[in-house]
Amino acid sequence: QKEVEQDPGPLSVPEGAIVSLNCTYSNSAFQYFMWYRQYSRKGPELLMYTYSSGNKEDGRFTAQVDKSSKYISLFIRDSQPSDSATYLCAMSATAGGTSYGKLTFGQGTILTVHP
Amino acid sequence: GAVVSQHPSWVICKSGTSVKIECRSLDFQATTMFWYRQFPKQSLMLMATSNEGSKATYEQGVEKDKFLINHASLTLSTLTVTSAHPEDSSFYICSASLVARTDTQYFGPGTRLTVL
Repeated sequence: QKEVEQDPGPLSVPEGAIVSLNCTYSNSAFQYFMWYRQYSRKGPELLMYTYSSGNKEDGRFTAQVDKSSKYISLFIRDSQPSDSATYLCAMSATAGGTSYGKLTFGQGTILTVHP
Repeated sequence: GAVVSQHPSWVICKSGTSVKIECRSLDFQATTMFWYRQFPKQSLMLMATSNEGSKATYEQGVEKDKFLINHASLTLSTLTVTSAHPEDSSFYICSASLVARTDTQYFGPGTRLTVL
């Protein structure tokens, strides 16, 4: 079983739709949670970073973490064609362990927003 | 701020040759750099973590003699793929961090390696 599971999609939505992207994880040591956006043939770009359960909002993006269920989500409101990309969830363990600072990525979900 | 560059952006080489990829932090000093590889439609897999002035720490299954990493300065890390073979063809991405904290990890644009 992979430490981080993410549905690869692809996911296709019309412009203006609300997009929901999800990841589940099995390692309870993960305490830092991130969402990255990656355009084709480019490096990942950090979108959201959270370390506590609950919601964090930034513009059209909302990150949600449920540590009890080991489940994280990214919501995109009023989606735009420019949001078309691969979205990767990533996680890291707490300080002090050998995995400190290392990111474990989900497989990535390919999103297409069509006009 | 916090820009990371990679050079070259793409490279094609013959089987058996060695290829060097550079990763530079342009506007900050990176004490830690990470090297990832990514196959088409797959996620990023961490290969190794390097700290300036010390040997890199490789992930399980990554051959350290094949993937040589040097982090000689606070702004430059290099990955050398030695005796490259077609199965080494991949997208290699580096990231740089001020300290070994994921919230300060900035990614480069990646290098596409094709081994013929």
